[in-house]
Amino acid sequence: DAGVIQSPRHEVTEMGQEVTLRCKPISGHNSLFWYRQTMMRGLELLIYFNNNVPIDDSGMPEDRFSAKMPNASFSTLKIQPSEPRDSAVYFCASSPGTFYTFGSGTRLTVV
Amino acid sequence: DQQVKQNSPSLSVQEGRISILNCDYTNSMFDYFLWYKKYPAEGPTFLISISSIKDKNEDGRFTVFLNKSAKHLSLHIVPSQPGDSAVYFCAARGGGGADGLTFGKGTHLIIQP
Repeated sequence: DAGVIQSPRHEVTEMGQEVTLRCKPISGHNSLFWYRQTMMRGLELLIYFNNNVPIDDSGMPEDRFSAKMPNASFSTLKIQPSEPRDSAVYFCASSPGTFYTFGSGTRLTVV
Repeated sequence: DQQVKQNSPSLSVQEGRISILNCDYTNSMFDYFLWYKKYPAEGPTFLISISSIKDKNEDGRFTVFLNKSAKHLSLHIVPSQPGDSAVYFCAARGGGGADGLTFGKGTHLIIQP
């Protein structure tokens, strides 16, 4: 079991560019979560999916953020256009129930 | 408005002593509480949990206590070891039907030799 796999590990991009973060959940886990970690706000839930269907996206900060889960083994979080204040570590987690398994995160820097 | 609060950003404890990490919550609908541990450049990993119908859960050196009337939980680590140095996040499930966990901002535990 390779765990939750996120890519890329690090992303540096210029303001205004599109950024796509990727996540492969653990096989058999039916829930997938995207979190953002910042010093000011800690770990914030952005969106979560259950059986590939978005259930709660109330944490998505703006329309610039979008997330998809086209199948049970893949999800993306896209920011378009990116802004410096989007700089953070983005975590994906999957779960068969209550207990989450997190990926190692993507550190995004928007300059 | 933070529903899960960890008021101590950092805590320093001597090796061998007890570490006590605290967490307060405001939403009485939370029905399950978890502690996660995070090392630098890694994702958080599950440590221990407790259901709202219990007041204590123990797993080896780790014990979580829940005081529902005070809306307070704590994580005790005894004895503390150097490998325990990490950021600890308190998390809660529920709060109106959402399945996502609500996390506190974390406490950085430093175990000194």
